[in-house]
Amino acid sequence: DGGITQSPKYLFRKEGQNVTLSCEQNLNHDAMYWYRQDPGQGLRLIYYSQIVNDFQKGDIAEGYSVSREKKESFPLTVTSAQKNPTAFYLCASRNNRGRNTEAFFGQGTRLTVV
Amino acid sequence: AQSVTQLGSHVSVSEGALVLLRCNYSSSVPPYLFWYVQYPNQGLQLLLKYTSAATLVKGINGFEAEFKKSETSFHLTKPSAHMSDAAEYFCAVSAPYGNNRLAFGKGNQVVVIP
Repeated sequence: DGGITQSPKYLFRKEGQNVTLSCEQNLNHDAMYWYRQDPGQGLRLIYYSQIVNDFQKGDIAEGYSVSREKKESFPLTVTSAQKNPTAFYLCASRNNRGRNTEAFFGQGTRLTVV
Repeated sequence: AQSVTQLGSHVSVSEGALVLLRCNYSSSVPPYLFWYVQYPNQGLQLLLKYTSAATLVKGINGFEAEFKKSETSFHLTKPSAHMSDAAEYFCAVSAPYGNNRLAFGKGNQVVVIP
């Protein structure tokens, strides 16, 4: 079955550590997105990529980094510069051929700083 | 930049009563609009989308939404609430041209009262 897989489902980070969240899709979508979700704040865009080897900052990119070396993969690294990383992170992909196409979401990764 | 506004973070509705969730968009041209549903600790699932065909759009689980250009709105309704409708609902917008960003509102947490 086609879909988006995020791993791990739960992740714990110590202060000062970098951690990487995985996102893989087999939908053959060109566009991929990372969102951060906090209670009452909806989904805020961190980074997005419209094509391999290219990505753009979203609204809250500080303290995060991404890469897009393969069409299927769009990992997100939460660096030690992100002072408040505890949140639910969602990855999505979308067909790039039209703006009227919907995004498909993974099941999310819940990151907690310990 | 495109944006959407959802008022009222929490919405309580009695079982069997009308569900009405409001979404207003900000855009200089009619955008593409989407409604998603999220159950606890899961990703988002598409309910319905407006893509400039019919202004009244029917989605899954008995939901529908009407695009009103004069009011810049895309409100979501369901005639009769069911206990299984308890979830968080997000409105999202995408521009018909330019970048491929997908922007979300802050969401409505729906509580169904038996």
